[in-house]
Amino acid sequence: LAKTTQPISMDSYEGQEVNITCSHNNIATNDYITWYQQFPSQGPRFIIQGYKTKVTNEVASLFIPADRKSSTLSLPRVSLSDTAVYYCLVVYSGGYNKLIFGAGTRLAVHP
Amino acid sequence: GAVVSQHPSWVICKSGTSVKIECRSLDFQATTMFWYRQFPKQSLMLMATSNEGSKATYEQGVEKDKFLINHASLTLSTLTVTSAHPEDSSFYICSVRGTYNEQFFGPGTRLTVL
Repeated sequence: LAKTTQPISMDSYEGQEVNITCSHNNIATNDYITWYQQFPSQGPRFIIQGYKTKVTNEVASLFIPADRKSSTLSLPRVSLSDTAVYYCLVVYSGGYNKLIFGAGTRLAVHP
Repeated sequence: GAVVSQHPSWVICKSGTSVKIECRSLDFQATTMFWYRQFPKQSLMLMATSNEGSKATYEQGVEKDKFLINHASLTLSTLTVTSAHPEDSSFYICSVRGTYNEQFFGPGTRLTVL
């Protein structure tokens, strides 16, 4: 399973765009990238997943360069409620799709 | 996505007792569920993969005789912490694998062992 590296913490202000980059240098051909959000004392919530290029949904965008060795989660116009821990995971598309969580990025959004 | 519930949401028990935590997939038939443990300020740690109708697969270092997992139906998996001790106090979270291999997590169960 590919190891991921992301910043431990980030700070932002309401209304700004936040980009969180994750490195996954040894990602394999059958792996895809997924991001989760977790609030204190809650289970993680699926945000977005992708394999290559760009994926966008109603809450975020995911940018994946051609070499797939990194990915960037983009949160447009964050609010205070976006303060949470964000996890980047590389998931093998076969088998049982085990999720191995890294340390995550603690995002603090300030007024 | 799949809606996942856990029961109880929190439990306090005495050392030496056993505690059962239920994980239910409310609107999705889940052949595979996962159990995680999370200590304060730490990330989630995968404990085991629960397979409907068969034995669970445990991660290295997780005692299968202490953390009993039963996945008797497509909507229910249970985790029983046997002979619980204070060091077992943690936040236990289950997840269900969805149609597109995404995972949907339950709200978690806070276990406190006195």
